[in-house]
Amino acid sequence: EAGVAQSPRYKIIEKRQSVAFWCNPISGHATLYWYQQILGQGPKLLIQFQNNGVVDDSQLPKDRFSAERLKGVDSTLKIQPAKLEDSAVYLCASSPLSGSPGYNEQFFGPGTRLTVL
Amino acid sequence: AQKVTQAQTEISVVEKEDVTLDCVYETRDTTYYLFWYKQPPSGELVFLIRRNSFDEQNEISGRYSWNFQKSTSSFNFTITASQVVDSAVYFCALSEAQITGANSKLTFGKGITLSVRP
Repeated sequence: EAGVAQSPRYKIIEKRQSVAFWCNPISGHATLYWYQQILGQGPKLLIQFQNNGVVDDSQLPKDRFSAERLKGVDSTLKIQPAKLEDSAVYLCASSPLSGSPGYNEQFFGPGTRLTVL
Repeated sequence: AQKVTQAQTEISVVEKEDVTLDCVYETRDTTYYLFWYKQPPSGELVFLIRRNSFDEQNEISGRYSWNFQKSTSSFNFTITASQVVDSAVYFCALSEAQITGANSKLTFGKGITLSVRP
């Protein structure tokens, strides 16, 4: 079974530029997550989709971050414009839907390491 | 609000030593799940173990074991006979059951960097 795919793996941009990340979850997984992991910290949820609907985006800085999951499969996360503090690893994860919310482990992709200069 | 605290930041052991990673959590929910994930240098988070809030029976799985104590809100993880390949960052995480039918997010601790020396 193929894992969660993310691209690019690395990105370096200057502040105020725009950037986009792509994620393809495991086939059949209804739930998709984007996490931000700043160096030395644990991942923090930015946005959670179930199929193509948003379940939780309370931690997403909506003035500069946006995400979509068209057709309920792959997803893109965009930052426009980027700030220095956006330097982090952006992790995508997916999880199958079950009758026990919270039970299923999340499967993570390799992440995209963003450096904002 | 839910919170996960990993007070240890870095641990260094010699190969074959046992090592315990501590985790303390906070939640208002009565039903929740606790996880341990491993993040090797490659960066990908790897699921290790899961425990639900209504099952405090501790278990052993190979070289891994865990001690879940609801009374102290702790979920500690032990690696027996550590190996160099165990070197990684280990995260404890909490997931709360929701009633909406959707999967829940994970709340992570800050992680513990484990170094196993040959």
